[in-house]
Amino acid sequence: GESVGLHLPTLSVQEGDNSIINCAYSNSASDYFIWYKQESGKGPQFIIDIRSNMDKRQGQRVTVLLNKTVKHLSLQIAATQPGDSAVYFCAERRGYSTLTFGKGTMLLVSP
Amino acid sequence: GAVVSQHPSRVICKSGTSVKIECRSLDFQATTMFWYRQFPKQSLMLMATSNEGSKATYEQGVEKDKFLINHASLTLSTLTVTSAHPEDSSFYICSARVGTSGITDTQYFGPGTRLTVL
Repeated sequence: GESVGLHLPTLSVQEGDNSIINCAYSNSASDYFIWYKQESGKGPQFIIDIRSNMDKRQGQRVTVLLNKTVKHLSLQIAATQPGDSAVYFCAERRGYSTLTFGKGTMLLVSP
Repeated sequence: GAVVSQHPSRVICKSGTSVKIECRSLDFQATTMFWYRQFPKQSLMLMATSNEGSKATYEQGVEKDKFLINHASLTLSTLTVTSAHPEDSSFYICSARVGTSGITDTQYFGPGTRLTVL
């Protein structure tokens, strides 16, 4: 299962910069990964997903990179905007099992 | 993406009372729904998996008699917190799985329900 903590890692960037949020996942057998964005007081919002047979997938302003060798997932946000400020969670899953969430990273974007 | 709604968004209740939270999939049918709780500055903790027409599967440490889950239709799951106590105060979030293929089924989340027990 996931680990939880009382202090979220925080990434502070300036508006217009590119942001990279990292996630180390735990199960080498996981074959599906999702990034979620959660704004304060709201539920997680789906951003992008990737299967284990891929190492990169791009969306609108976002790119997810998967390195299965070191069990590492990253989310890149291009031209970060103040509206991107939120907590970002990675989640992993094996087959039809339940999602396991990472600790989360808070992204703070300064104008 | 698929839309999941929750009602109510906020609820305040007295200790000892029961509270029901509804989760609906608005534009799709969800055979599987999930209930999570989240404490401030923490990740989501899975409470139970709810399958339409069958009993929910609870995670270890979650009291099934306290957190009653009903998934009577393909678009509605309910979570009832019975005999609520202040320590049950939390942010409860439901989620629904879209698809039946397995590997790439995406999970969408509702907006959450803030429960405060006085």
